[in-house]
Amino acid sequence: NAGVMQNPRHLVRRRGQEARLRCSPMKGHSHVYWYRQLPEEGLKFMVYLQKENIIDESGMPKERFSAEFPKEGPSILRIQQVVRGDSAAYFCASSRERGSNYGYTFGSGTRLTVV
Amino acid sequence: AQSVTQLGSHVSVSEGALVLLRCNYSSSVPPYLFWYVQYPNQGLQLLLKYTSAATLVKGINGFEAEFKKSETSFHLTKPSAHMSDAAEYFCAVTQYNNNDMRFGAGTRLTVKP
Repeated sequence: NAGVMQNPRHLVRRRGQEARLRCSPMKGHSHVYWYRQLPEEGLKFMVYLQKENIIDESGMPKERFSAEFPKEGPSILRIQQVVRGDSAAYFCASSRERGSNYGYTFGSGTRLTVV
Repeated sequence: AQSVTQLGSHVSVSEGALVLLRCNYSSSVPPYLFWYVQYPNQGLQLLLKYTSAATLVKGINGFEAEFKKSETSFHLTKPSAHMSDAAEYFCAVTQYNNNDMRFGAGTRLTVKP
């Protein structure tokens, strides 16, 4: 039984390109959360999604970032026109129940490098 | 509003020594508190969690943490460090049915032989 699967593990993009990060939650989990970890910093909440719905995107930058969790397939975090400041580790987490008081299961992350 | 502060970005102990990683929280309502461990190039693994039951919480790998409301603390301890404990540790706080789990900046634990 696989845990939370993220791919790719490492992604290199040139400035101005698009980055697509994928996350498949654990089996039976329908709640997905995206976090960003900048160097030497903790994790910052970005967005919370359920199937076909964005529930809370209060942590998402207003421009260039978007997220989706379609009825079929993985959740996608999309960053358009990447800049050097987007270089970070992006973690996806999932949970069975709504709300973070149950604790999350995290994926291994996607490390984005913008050159 | 909720937040956590981890005191000490780096902690170094000798193998076999006590491990103490400090975490203080701020929450306007009763908090749920977590410790996660992150090994290099991996995701976060849940060590333990406090969800308003027993104040002394036991987790995996011999770690435990005690919730002290009067001190707004949730420090992580382990009686005897092992080399395999070297990792980054994150304290996190949330509230009931809240989508936003807030993490501390992390404490990197080094274990010397």
